[in-house]
Amino acid sequence: KAGVTQTPRYLIKTRGQQVTLSCSPISGHRSVSWYQQTPGQGLQFLFEYFSETQRNKGNFPGRFSGRQFSNSRSEMNVSTLELGDSALYLCASSLNGEQYFGPGTRLTVT
Amino acid sequence: KNQVEQSPQSLIILEGKNCTLQCNYTVSPFSNLRWYKQDTGRGPVSLTIMTFSENTKSNGRYTATLDADTKQSSLHITASQLSDSASYICVVTPGGYQKVTFGTGTKLQVIP
Repeated sequence: KAGVTQTPRYLIKTRGQQVTLSCSPISGHRSVSWYQQTPGQGLQFLFEYFSETQRNKGNFPGRFSGRQFSNSRSEMNVSTLELGDSALYLCASSLNGEQYFGPGTRLTVT
Repeated sequence: KNQVEQSPQSLIILEGKNCTLQCNYTVSPFSNLRWYKQDTGRGPVSLTIMTFSENTKSNGRYTATLDADTKQSSLHITASQLSDSASYICVVTPGGYQKVTFGTGTKLQVIP
């Protein structure tokens, strides 16, 4: 089975722009979670989707949003980018409580 | 507030030596505890997962222990290899609908 894939792998944006990241879960996995990882904060939970519905949400501002499609693929959008949004964004798909992480998208905001 | 604390923050050991990483948590109720290995620039990969009733779990040279009474876990790496250089993250899943809580990780460097 193919693992979790994320696109793009690297992205450079300027402040004020918006960005959309994509995640394709492992086939058969219906739960997708998103995380932000920075050197100082470690992994921070953004949100979780299950069957196209947001099931859980972390403590991030409304500039961070997401959605899940009927094929379980998920997208995350960040609007009005700030320098502090520079991070590794990780997506994980889950089945029976076991999480499998993708390689991440490295976002740099300049 | 649910918290997971890991120590040490970073560690340098010689190739072939053993090491132990610590994880203390305050998460309650508790469902399971995982240890992940994360290579630089890549996503975390699960090493072990333990439920409340398990107190040890091995995966090759990696052995995790859990003491649910003291809310402590450790990850022991035997005969370290250069490829063990990575960050090791302890993750606790609470019971109910609470969010998963991540430790900030221990950065391990194995040197020849």
